[in-house]
Amino acid sequence: EPEVTQTPSHQVTQMGQEVILRCVPISNHLYFYWYRQILGQKVEFLVSFYNNEISEKSEIFDDQFSVERPDGSNFTLKIRSTKLEDSAMYFCASSVDRGETGELFFGEGSRLTVL
Amino acid sequence: QQQVKQSPQSLIVQKGGISIINCAYENTAFDYFPWYQQFPGKGPALLIAIRPDVSEKKEGRFTISFNKSAKQFSLHIMDSQPGDSATYFCAARVSGAGSYQLTFGKGTKLSVIP
Repeated sequence: EPEVTQTPSHQVTQMGQEVILRCVPISNHLYFYWYRQILGQKVEFLVSFYNNEISEKSEIFDDQFSVERPDGSNFTLKIRSTKLEDSAMYFCASSVDRGETGELFFGEGSRLTVL
Repeated sequence: QQQVKQSPQSLIVQKGGISIINCAYENTAFDYFPWYQQFPGKGPALLIAIRPDVSEKKEGRFTISFNKSAKQFSLHIMDSQPGDSATYFCAARVSGAGSYQLTFGKGTKLSVIP
């Protein structure tokens, strides 16, 4: 069964450092998303991406964050200068479309720990 | 108001019992209500979803009940099994105006004891 894969599974970084989280969405999917889940909290939307541009972003997704699809398969989330409060599980998701069959498939997540 | 309020925070049910998780929303523009199941160390996985034009949807042991006037929806797990032990998230989405982000509830940790 096709799945969304994410790397790394866990990253520990020092505050102020740059972090890149990588995702390989399901191959025929066109819409890509990043969500995050702070430990014990709800899953929160960060950004959606379609046709090589951001289609929607939340208030959380400030100038410290950026997304990119550098090639035909990877979808990355970059945090430019990490803060303690960026510690969370980051989930990548993808969907075929946004309509009736727009089910989101989530990856297993990348746990980011900022020290 | 984009919030989705979910209760209870945690739930313990005997094997074979019925698990009920409730969610409420304010935004009447929400038009898609999925439930996600998350096992430890895994990402959320779609369990079942409903649109507001129906009041109930059943898939196997899982049923969503939807009350549009009360702006509430709930997940019922019949004949709960230990393998159902997971965290369940309700969510909602506004499909129009180019917005397809999911708004999640805070989650319910379900433990089904033998």
